[in-house]
This record gives sequence, C-alpha cells and structure tokens, in this order.
Amino acid sequence: DAKTTQPPSMDCAEGRAANLPCNHSTISGNEYVYWYRQIHSQGPQYIIHGLKNNETNEMASLIITEDRKSSTLILPHATLRDTAVYYCIDRSGYALNFGKGTSLLVTP
Amino acid sequence: KAGVTQTPRYLIKTRGQQVTLSCSPISGHRSVSWYQQTPGQGLQFLFEYFSETQRNKGNFPGRFSGRQFSNSRSEMNVSTLELGDSALYLCASSLGASGGQETQYFGPGTRLLVL
Repeated sequence: DAKTTQPPSMDCAEGRAANLPCNHSTISGNEYVYWYRQIHSQGPQYIIHGLKNNETNEMASLIITEDRKSSTLILPHATLRDTAVYYCIDRSGYALNFGKGTSLLVTP
Repeated sequence: KAGVTQTPRYLIKTRGQQVTLSCSPISGHRSVSWYQQTPGQGLQFLFEYFSETQRNKGNFPGRFSGRQFSNSRSEMNVSTLELGDSALYLCASSLGASGGQETQYFGPGTRLLVL
C-alpha cells in the first residue's frame, strides 16, 4: 500500500499557482520523494524528485519540510494542460508505489 | 531522444488466451519495468528486468512473466487470461546503473481488454 496521503481532488484557476500537498508520515531518511502525473489514459509523466532540499525544474517546484513529513508540489502558472492526477511517492526501493493521487482540475 | 514505446497500443483477447506485450526503452536505458493499472487496484508494480535478468518482482501470480533481450527491449506475457487482467499495462525504463533510485520514464501503455 502507498505510504503517502494526498487530497483526492483540487481545483485551480488557469494562470494561478497550483499547490499540491502530500503527507509522508512514515518516510525514512533514505527515501526520496517523487512526483509523477498522469493525464487521462496516458502513461505517468515524471515531474520532479528530492530528498531533503527544495528542488525546481522547468515543470515545477518541490518544497519538502524540514522534518520531511510533508511536501508540496508547486505548478507556478497552471494551464488547462496541467489537468491530471498527481501522485507523490515515498521511494525506498526500485518499484514506484503509486497511491490514489490528487485529481487536479484547472479551470478557465 | 525518443521515449519509451509500447506495442500494440490496444488489444482484445478472450478468457483463456495468452498475450504478449512489447516495450522498447529509451536509448541507453538498460532497465525495464512493467506496471499494471486497473480502476480498482490502481498502478501496481509487476517486475523489473536488467541485463536480461529479472531483478525485482511485485506480487503477481506466475501467469505474468517477462523477459528482456540483449538490446534491452522487453516483452511481457500473460497466460490463461482472466477477465480481471483487463488493464492498462505500462512499461517504464531507467538507466539501470544503480539499481535503486533512478528516475523511471513511462511509455503510453497497452490497453488490454479480456472478454
């Protein structure tokens, strides 16, 4: 079973920042936080990952709290194409253990 | 660089038949993993192949098997199909060097319908 907790759904207005939270209550010191998203009926798309420090790439920013018990994925300027299911994953081994994710709806 | 490709994209089979799905990883990637996605169970890890050997395995019955070729391409086989095997089957590739925390990149999937 997935070890992370995410809200089942969120809405965001186009052009605004989308902040997707994730709780990692059982994360251990060597587990990375990964974020993927899946647009309807497509394969999951890698977004970003981190261990302790905040990370940023061309798609998003990842904020990890100091105790590592929660993280936030930030899409700085959401577009309609960002509508998808977003998964956060605590990764300790090879396999990615996907939970139910957050269904993000970006509205015009 | 081309992404992960999977063939066929759609497949219809009947109960009791067997099916073979194919995956070509990103060029240079030596690890290939397979996942099953169903509405009820979500995305679940099947197995991972590296250097033509199964290196990691999920919790699926022996009807699900795979192999990897010397060019890193992989096939997955499901024998004696059941209605519950209807799913989106996803392949993911990674470099495979460290065997642990590498980023996996997914293909578009093969949608299998078992009648």
